[in-house]
Amino acid sequence: GENVEQHPSTLSVQEGDSAVIKCTYSDSASNYFPWYKQELGKRPQLIIDIRSNVGEKKDQRIAVTLNKTAKHFSLHITETQPEDSAVYFCAASNPNSGGSNYKLTFGKGTLLTVNP
Amino acid sequence: EAGVTQFPSHSVIEKGQTVTLRCDPISGHDNLYWYRRVMGKEIKFLLHFVKESKQDESGMPNNRFLAERTGGTYSTLKVQPAELEDSGVYFCASSLDRGQPQHFGDGTRLSIL
Repeated sequence: GENVEQHPSTLSVQEGDSAVIKCTYSDSASNYFPWYKQELGKRPQLIIDIRSNVGEKKDQRIAVTLNKTAKHFSLHITETQPEDSAVYFCAASNPNSGGSNYKLTFGKGTLLTVNP
Repeated sequence: EAGVTQFPSHSVIEKGQTVTLRCDPISGHDNLYWYRRVMGKEIKFLLHFVKESKQDESGMPNNRFLAERTGGTYSTLKVQPAELEDSGVYFCASSLDRGQPQHFGDGTRLSIL
């Protein structure tokens, strides 16, 4: 089955700096990669996702890049703000294969702290 | 539009007791998923409903866990009897269609004493 590795487990940056979180996956058939942000005590919130037919997607200060050959994808947050502090989870799935492959396989999460 | 709602938000029970968790998906979402996060580890898949049918239950840990979705609306997840290792946060998610983004609820924090 799919295995997703996420690094780093913790990341501390100064406000205004950029933050990068990296994930690798094992199943070359995976083709959908969402990122979730979970603030303390709240629900995981989908912040951006990418499908394997594109290499990069951007939404304001957040961007995700995908390297299918190397089987890794990354989350980039620019101009970080204290409210970006949260746990970020990457995930992978293969929703186009049919059958039973709609489940998300998650990384272990990255605790991002943005210091004012 | 109301998001995914889960009840209760927190449950504390003793080992051997029974607990039932409930999830109400976003209205119109036929796909409902259960996940759990145990002891600060990664969020792990439990099962997937399409309407009232179990599409994939490969993540269910053992037969002490029973999930139902009668009528294809809300779902329940029953743990009977609860064991210490069942402690964790149980999340429900829903999506409009298979392959569409999954939206999560706040989770139920389950503590087994």
